[in-house]
Amino acid sequence: DTGVSQNPRHKITKRGQNVTFRCDPISEHNRLYWYRQTLGQGPEFLTYFQNEAQLEKSRLLSDRFSAERPKGSFSTLEIQRTEQGDSAMYLCASSLGSGNQPQHFGDGTRLSIL
Amino acid sequence: AQTVTQSQPEMSVQEAETVTLSCTYDTSESNYYLFWYKQPPSRQMILVIRQEAYKQQNATENRFSVNFQKAAKSFSLKISDSQLGDTAMYFCAFRALNGGSNYKLTFGKGTLLTVNP
Repeated sequence: DTGVSQNPRHKITKRGQNVTFRCDPISEHNRLYWYRQTLGQGPEFLTYFQNEAQLEKSRLLSDRFSAERPKGSFSTLEIQRTEQGDSAMYLCASSLGSGNQPQHFGDGTRLSIL
Repeated sequence: AQTVTQSQPEMSVQEAETVTLSCTYDTSESNYYLFWYKQPPSRQMILVIRQEAYKQQNATENRFSVNFQKAAKSFSLKISDSQLGDTAMYFCAFRALNGGSNYKLTFGKGTLLTVNP
């Protein structure tokens, strides 16, 4: 069990650029979640996959955000035309399918917009 | 919608002493889970302890225990024999057991705990 892996750990980019983050869940976990954490706040839910199906997107996720999970394995989160307000830690978590299983988090990707 | 409130932004405790972190929540759900997660500086968030709302017995994991008061919607975390490695941000979180939101966690803003030598 190698845990949830996220890449890159840090991303610095200029406003207006596109960025993509990757999350590799624990191998047998079929559920995958993305959260966003800003300074001084707890993580906020962004979106959720069960296998390859994206089942919910938070209203926090504007049209500039898109997430995919092809083949139900790794997931990518893309932000287009980044804005200052996108600066945050983006956390990925995964869990087994049954409702009582806890979510396991990765180290996160810290995004800084210049 | 659920809300989770942690009213203590920061706390400190001396090594080997006991500290209690507070959490209150609001929900109309009857079946749910409550969690405490720990996020050390620049490290990943890990699960400390969880409580099923239908269980009256308070959960315990080694030095960590909770005081779950369902009627009061209160869920505090007690850390006994505090260790330097307990220094971290602690988040209280809620997850509904049934219904359309039984997958996502709702977090409080966190309490930064510092254990002093």
